[in-house]
Amino acid sequence: EAQVTQNPRYLITVTGKKLTVTCSQNMNHEYMSWYRQDPGLGLRQIYYSMNVEVTDKGDVPEGYKVSRKEKRNFPLILESPSPNQTSLYFCASSFVGGGADTQYFGPGTRLTVL
Amino acid sequence: DQQVKQNSPSLSVQEGRISILNCDYTNSMFDYFLWYKKYPAEGPTFLISISSIKDKNEDGRFTVFLNKSAKHLSLHIVPSQPGDSAVYFCAASAEETSGSRLTFGEGTQLTVNP
Repeated sequence: EAQVTQNPRYLITVTGKKLTVTCSQNMNHEYMSWYRQDPGLGLRQIYYSMNVEVTDKGDVPEGYKVSRKEKRNFPLILESPSPNQTSLYFCASSFVGGGADTQYFGPGTRLTVL
Repeated sequence: DQQVKQNSPSLSVQEGRISILNCDYTNSMFDYFLWYKKYPAEGPTFLISISSIKDKNEDGRFTVFLNKSAKHLSLHIVPSQPGDSAVYFCAASAEETSGSRLTFGEGTQLTVNP
């Protein structure tokens, strides 16, 4: 089954404690992306990657890091989380050139930073 | 700077009636528009799209209309069903320059009452 998986699905942590949210896709997609969803703001792009070792900032990259060492994985790293990073996070993937309507989204990770 | 705006946070309609969800955008570079549907505890899923060279696209009960001069698009659902109750996100892409990058609106919670 074609899917994007994220782990963990729920996470409560404290300010300053480094964490990683994993994202994996099984569709051999080149393009992967992270979004955060906040009430009244919709989904905003954090980082994206066009292929292995190619990453770029989205609209709200501050406080986040990503890496793309393998095609299937695109982890989101919060080196020193803060309460304003409490949000619902989505990973997405697609083929490059396949069109924006080919993006598949993961189920989401709800993060709470105390 | 919200480039894609959905001014109605919520919409309630009766089963069998028409649901009309609206979306406005400001960026003239956007040339591809999409609607995503999101159920609780799931990621967004692609619903329907329209290219800027068209003014209407239909898929079963769902029709998207695009008015480029007004920078406005709308999603019509006819007839509405209780299973359509979800958050609907409007999204836009400048595919010529940005490929799969999406800019989302804030979302509209649709409730279809039996």
